[in-house]
Amino acid sequence: EDQVTQSPEALRLQEGESSSLNCSYTVSGLRGLFWYRQDPGKGPEFLFTLYSAGEEKEKERLKATLTKKESFLHITAPKPEDSATYLCAVVSGGSYIPTFGRGTSLIVHP
Amino acid sequence: EPEVTQTPSHQVTQMGQEVILRCVPISNHLYFYWYRQILGQKVEFLVSFYNNEISEKSEIFDDQFSVERPDGSNFTLKIRSTKLEDSAMYFCASTGGLGNEQFFGPGTRLTVL
Repeated sequence: EDQVTQSPEALRLQEGESSSLNCSYTVSGLRGLFWYRQDPGKGPEFLFTLYSAGEEKEKERLKATLTKKESFLHITAPKPEDSATYLCAVVSGGSYIPTFGRGTSLIVHP
Repeated sequence: EPEVTQTPSHQVTQMGQEVILRCVPISNHLYFYWYRQILGQKVEFLVSFYNNEISEKSEIFDDQFSVERPDGSNFTLKIRSTKLEDSAMYFCASTGGLGNEQFFGPGTRLTVL
């Protein structure tokens, strides 16, 4: 069974204080790893897809990286509007159904 | 930009009643999904649907649940006899290709009293 663990569970940053969120996974044959942003009471919003170790994707203040065991979501100089829960999901093996982690709740203080 | 839409945004029902949650996936997508998220917990897969039939379902998706694509645009989730533990956010998602990123709707908050 696929396992996805996200850490930390919660993270408080000051505006401008860069940090990284972690998603570690145990799967048989990774097909893809996805990062989503979820605001309270809303649906997950797609951010990135990573398919192979060494791959990196960037969007504004966010950069996602992937190794064979984990992915990092780096947040550079965050702003209060970056406050949200960030979800990681993996698709592996013969199933195309994503397994989600519990997410990291990020709060950025002005 | 195309998006997945869901109605209603909030549904309150009595235990034992039937509810139908509605979704309009992105128009050129072929694969459709329902997920649920109990407050404070992770997103859980319920069912996937392709070519007018269920392709995968989870243990949560028991005989009380059914899905339908009644026309070319709508995708529905029916819960026949709701239980208290069905209270959750229900998300519809769609994708254009297997293994590709899924795009989620805003969700329906179901409250069973």
